[in-house]
Amino acid sequence: DAKTTQPTSMDCAEGRAANLPCNHSTISGNEYVYWYRQIHSQGPQYIIHGLKNNETNEMASLIITEDRKSSTLILPHATLRDTAVYYCIVRVASAYSGNTPLVFGKGTRLSVIA
Amino acid sequence: EAGVTQFPSHSVIEKGQTVTLRCDPISGHDNLYWYRRVMGKEIKFLLHFVKESKQDESGMPNNRFLAERTGGTYSTLKVQPAELEDSGVYFCASSYALNRVHNEQFFGPGTRLTVL
Repeated sequence: DAKTTQPTSMDCAEGRAANLPCNHSTISGNEYVYWYRQIHSQGPQYIIHGLKNNETNEMASLIITEDRKSSTLILPHATLRDTAVYYCIVRVASAYSGNTPLVFGKGTRLSVIA
Repeated sequence: EAGVTQFPSHSVIEKGQTVTLRCDPISGHDNLYWYRRVMGKEIKFLLHFVKESKQDESGMPNNRFLAERTGGTYSTLKVQPAELEDSGVYFCASSYALNRVHNEQFFGPGTRLTVL
C-alpha cells in the first residue's frame, strides 16, 4: 500500500506556481520521495525524486521538510498541459532499488485553469 | 528514439474470451513491468521481467493472467478467460536494469480493456 497522503484535487491558475503537498510521516531514513504524473490518456511520467535535499530539474522543484515527513512538488509556471494526476511515491533506496516496481496511491488531480 | 509502445490501444471483448496485450519496451531496457488500473482504483503493479526472466510476479491477480517475454524483447500479457473485473487500463513500463538507486521507468500509453 502507498505510504503517502495527498489531497484529492487542486486547482491552479495558468502561469502561477502549482504547489502540490504530500504527507509521508512514516518515511524511513533510507526511503526516497518520488513524483510521477499521469496526463489524461497517457502513461505515468517521471518528474523528480529526492532524499533530503531540495531538488530542481527542468520540470519542477521538490522541497522536502527537514524532518522528511512531508514534501511539496512545485511547478513554477503551470500551463494547461500540466493538468494531470500527480503521484507522490515513497521508495526504499538501495543499490538495487532502481529496479523495483512503483507503488502508486490515489494522487492529486491538478487542474490548471486559464 | 521511440518510447514504450503498446498494442492494441483499445480492446473490447466478451466475458470468457481471450485477449493478448503486447508491449514493446525502449531498446536496451532489460527491465519490463506491467501495471494496471481497474475502475476507480489505483495503478497496481502486476509483474516485472528482467530480460526474459520473471523477477517478480507478486501482483498477478490469478492464473487467468499469463505474461511472457520470449527473447527478452517485447512482452505479451494474455488474459484467458477474461472476466468483467479485468476491465481497466493496462500499462507497460521499461527501464535500464542497472544496480543503482534510480532507473527511470518509462511508461507506454496503456491498453484500455473492456470486458462485456
